Amino acid sequence: EAGVTQFPSHSVIEKGQTVTLRCDPISGHDNLYWYRRVMGKEIKFLLHFVKESKQDESGMPNNRFLAERTGGTYSTLKVQPAELEDSGVYFCASSQGGTGTDTQYFGPGTRLTVL
Amino acid sequence: GDSVTQMEGPVTLSEEAFLTINCTYTATGYPSLFWYVQYPGEGLQLLLKATKADDKGSNKGFEATYRKETTSFHLEKGSVQVSDSAVYFCALAHRAGNMLTFGGGTRLMVKP
Repeated sequence: EAGVTQFPSHSVIEKGQTVTLRCDPISGHDNLYWYRRVMGKEIKFLLHFVKESKQDESGMPNNRFLAERTGGTYSTLKVQPAELEDSGVYFCASSQGGTGTDTQYFGPGTRLTVL
Repeated sequence: GDSVTQMEGPVTLSEEAFLTINCTYTATGYPSLFWYVQYPGEGLQLLLKATKADDKGSNKGFEATYRKETTSFHLEKGSVQVSDSAVYFCALAHRAGNMLTFGGGTRLMVKP
């Protein structure tokens, strides 16, 4: 069974540009999460989808970030316009159930560098 | 709000040494507790978990016990190997939300 995949693995962009990150969850997993780790800080929750609906987006830093999950399959996270402080590693995770006892399976992450 | 604190690294050990990585948490109620591991060039993998007080999670020789009275979930291994070199993250999640709250990560380096 394929794990969670993320694309691209690494992206380098200029400040002010737009970047779109993609996540493909494990097949059949209704729950999809985005997290990010900025330099030297903890991994922080961004948002949680259940199928195509946003269950919790309390961690989204500002309105420059837009996440979608059309059709309840893969998800995209767009940053527009990107700022220097957006640099970091963006992780996607998926789980079958959506409770605190359910295991989240993580992708390898996308390393975003904003110059 | 919830928080997780783990010992700062890097932790450098010789092969076959005993490992302890401390993790304490602050949270309301009874969260589930997790240890994730990130090997070089890979994503986070679940190492072990415990969902209620006094539960012991174990996997690949690693163990951690959910201690409600000390709000701790320390990771231990009796004899580390070079292949255990990685970054270890302690995390918690509440039953309803499933949002993970992570500690800062501890880098472990095991030398032959």
